[in-house]
Amino acid sequence: KAGVTQTPRYLIKTRGQQVTLSCSPISGHRSVSWYQQTPGQGLQFLFEYFSETQRNKGNFPGRFSGRQFSNSRSEMNVSTLELGDSALYLCASSLDLDSWYFGPGTRLTVT
Amino acid sequence: DQQVKQNSPSLSVQEGRISILNCDYTNSMFDYFLWYKKYPAEGPTFLISISSIKDKNEDGRFTVFLNKSAKHLSLHIVPSQPGDSAVYFCAAKAGSYQLTFGKGTKLSVIP
Repeated sequence: KAGVTQTPRYLIKTRGQQVTLSCSPISGHRSVSWYQQTPGQGLQFLFEYFSETQRNKGNFPGRFSGRQFSNSRSEMNVSTLELGDSALYLCASSLDLDSWYFGPGTRLTVT
Repeated sequence: DQQVKQNSPSLSVQEGRISILNCDYTNSMFDYFLWYKKYPAEGPTFLISISSIKDKNEDGRFTVFLNKSAKHLSLHIVPSQPGDSAVYFCAAKAGSYQLTFGKGTKLSVIP
């Protein structure tokens, strides 16, 4: 069974631009979560989706948004990029809400 | 307010010896705990988990111990191997809520 896939793997954007990241969960998994990892801060929760509905949301500004499609694939969008948004963005999927399996991440660099 | 703390940013252990990684938490509502291993440029890989109704869970070389009264858990790796060198994240969740991660401990296993 294929794991969680994320595209693109690497991205360079300039301040003020917007970006969309994509995540395809493990087949059969209907829950998808997004995390931001920055040096020294660990993994910070962004949001979680189940069956196209946002179930939980972390403490991030409204510039960060996401959605989930009927096939469980998910996207997250960051508008008006800031230098501090440079990070590894990780997507995880789950079948039972207990065990979460992560993708390889998208490395976003904002210049 | 950091609800999951990994107070040792790094740990060095000789090959063949035991590695003990520690994690403390403050939220008494946490009822499920997980350990993840992360290599650079990859997403976290699920290692082992434990429910709050247990105090120990074993999987091969990996054992997780949970002390609820002390709000402390630990991951034991025996024997340690050079391939175990990675960053280890402790994570916790309360019910169906999202995972809350510690900031990680970098383990170096010296051949």
